[in-house]
Amino acid sequence: KNEVEQSPQNLTAQEGEFITINCSYSVGISALHWLQQHPGGGIVSLFMLSSGKKKHGRLIATINIQEKHSSLHITASHPRDSAVYICAAQGGSEKLVFGKGTKLTVNP
Amino acid sequence: DAGVTQSPTHLIKTRGQHVTLRCSPISGHKSVSWYQQVLGQGPQFIFQYYEKEERGRGNFPDRFSARQFPNYSSELNVNALLLGDSALYLCASSSPGPWGYTFGSGTRLTVV
Repeated sequence: KNEVEQSPQNLTAQEGEFITINCSYSVGISALHWLQQHPGGGIVSLFMLSSGKKKHGRLIATINIQEKHSSLHITASHPRDSAVYICAAQGGSEKLVFGKGTKLTVNP
Repeated sequence: DAGVTQSPTHLIKTRGQHVTLRCSPISGHKSVSWYQQVLGQGPQFIFQYYEKEERGRGNFPDRFSARQFPNYSSELNVNALLLGDSALYLCASSSPGPWGYTFGSGTRLTVV
């Protein structure tokens, strides 16, 4: 079992839909990261969470430390949101343990 | 301010050859980490360096080595390349405190 599990692996939505991507982790963490990867490989850091909830534009990330679970929400999804979304757990060091990613496709 | 820069962007090597990948962190970032991402998988941790010292090493064979220079740039070296080393190699830099990361665009290595 991977230390970081994401679901779903693939997600297809229609433009405007509300999207939720889930992440569960089994290791102790100092922070949980959500990242976005577009075709071609470049990774963009979206959020770093240690508790509670963060919001940036149409993106919202939440974390429940007791349940070792985090969610990434996208409101009013748009085709440009199509990408792979990855969660990564950070322990005491700076090492990140990544999930396998969720491939999101938003159709117009 | 330039982001994390990696070179080269793409590389094709033959089995058994050696490769050197380079990474320049964001100005002021003293920590550099390397990750390997094979197709369809999440990135896997290879090395982390801070202030030129190795701080962590992932489960990779000794064919993989790295170093960090006084200007905090870093090199990842892979010897005796195997087909399975074909992957996207990502570099990330970070600064102390909130542990925010900035990733480079990666070097795509193909071993034939």
